[in-house]
Amino acid sequence: AQRVTQPEKLLSVFKGAPVELKCNYSYSGSPELFWYVQYSRQRLQLLLRHISRESIKGFTADLNKGETSFHLKKPFAQEEDSAMYYCALTVGTSGSRLTFGEGTQLTVNP
Amino acid sequence: DAGITQSPRHKVTETGTPVTLRCHQTENHRYMYWYRQDPGHGLRLIHYSYGVKDTDKGEVSDGYSVSRSKTEDFLLTLESATSSQTSVYFCAISTRGGGIADTQYFGPGTRLTVL
Repeated sequence: AQRVTQPEKLLSVFKGAPVELKCNYSYSGSPELFWYVQYSRQRLQLLLRHISRESIKGFTADLNKGETSFHLKKPFAQEEDSAMYYCALTVGTSGSRLTFGEGTQLTVNP
Repeated sequence: DAGITQSPRHKVTETGTPVTLRCHQTENHRYMYWYRQDPGHGLRLIHYSYGVKDTDKGEVSDGYSVSRSKTEDFLLTLESATSSQTSVYFCAISTRGGGIADTQYFGPGTRLTVL
């Protein structure tokens, strides 16, 4: 079965510093990877996905199949980036069910 | 928000009582999902539906049942609530056909406390 691991439960950086949220997965095939974000008191929303290869709010993520990783990066963190971030994958079986990691709470300090 | 609402938004109940949570969508999407969110576990799939009266189990389905008699509504029932079911419950929909290129959109969540 597939699995997603986010090794950091909490991550704290200062405004303007680079930030990297780690995500590792285990699956023998070719999954589709996502990053979802949940701001305080808001619903979960899609931040970006691998298949789109886009940059949202300055965040990027590169799929490394050799290391089975999909780390989320931003060169200059902003206070409004403070949120809970979830890495997730789907393997294309019926229903595009998502498997989520445990989440990383990012705090950007002024 | 893909037209997804959940009700109630907050509920406190006692152990052993039945509880039903409702997810409503306005855009006639075929696939709907129920997840629970718990610290240290992220979100875990409870059940999902791929059409009216078509449902299947997720990874944490024990103690839960679902029903979908209309495209727009997906109900989650806790037959006899336990304290371990205290959680935040999220409904989601898929915007396409449920394939690997699909994207899920989430409702606002229901915070359930079982005393």
